[in-house]
Amino acid sequence: QKEVEQDPGPLSVPEGAIVSLNCTYSNSAFQYFMWYRQYSRKGPELLMYTYSSGNKEDGRFTAQVDKSSKYISLFIRDSQPSDSATYLCAMKTSYDKVIFGPGTSLSVIP
Amino acid sequence: EADIYQTPRYLVIGTGKKITLECSQTMGHDKMYWYQQDPGMELHLIHYSYGVNSTEKGDLSSESTVSRIRTEHFPLTLESARPSHTSQYLCASSEGDPQYFGPGTRLTVL
Repeated sequence: QKEVEQDPGPLSVPEGAIVSLNCTYSNSAFQYFMWYRQYSRKGPELLMYTYSSGNKEDGRFTAQVDKSSKYISLFIRDSQPSDSATYLCAMKTSYDKVIFGPGTSLSVIP
Repeated sequence: EADIYQTPRYLVIGTGKKITLECSQTMGHDKMYWYQQDPGMELHLIHYSYGVNSTEKGDLSSESTVSRIRTEHFPLTLESARPSHTSQYLCASSEGDPQYFGPGTRLTVL
């Protein structure tokens, strides 16, 4: 079993929809959680970074962490075609290296 | 946020050639990383450095080598390129958490 699981998709939604992207993990020692957006043939771009359970909001993006269920989510409100990309979750313990999920491919259709 | 630069962005080269992928950052981050990413797959850490003259191998075995003579510069070298080295190589840096990525180098070995 991989430490971080993420549905690869592809996920296709109409413009304006609310998108929910999810990751599950098995290592209860993970404390830091990140979401990256990666456009085709580009490097990952940091979207959200959190180290606590609960919600963190930044514009149209909300990151949610549920440590008891070992489950994290990224919500995108009012999705736009420019949000079409691959979304990577990532997490780490306080002293170890970052573990990345394989990414979910998202297409927002105009 | 870090400014990280990678050159070349794309490289097509023949088997047996020696290549160096360049990575530099302007934020003075002590920690730098090299990841390998195949299409639709997770990022795999191949090398990292926590400071000048400090380099370590990552989780994924790689025939490449790295050096860290200056804080801002972390080049990766392949002495003899092979088709199995075809992949995207991503450089990242951080001061603690999280990591910030460069645009990547897409390497194709014929």
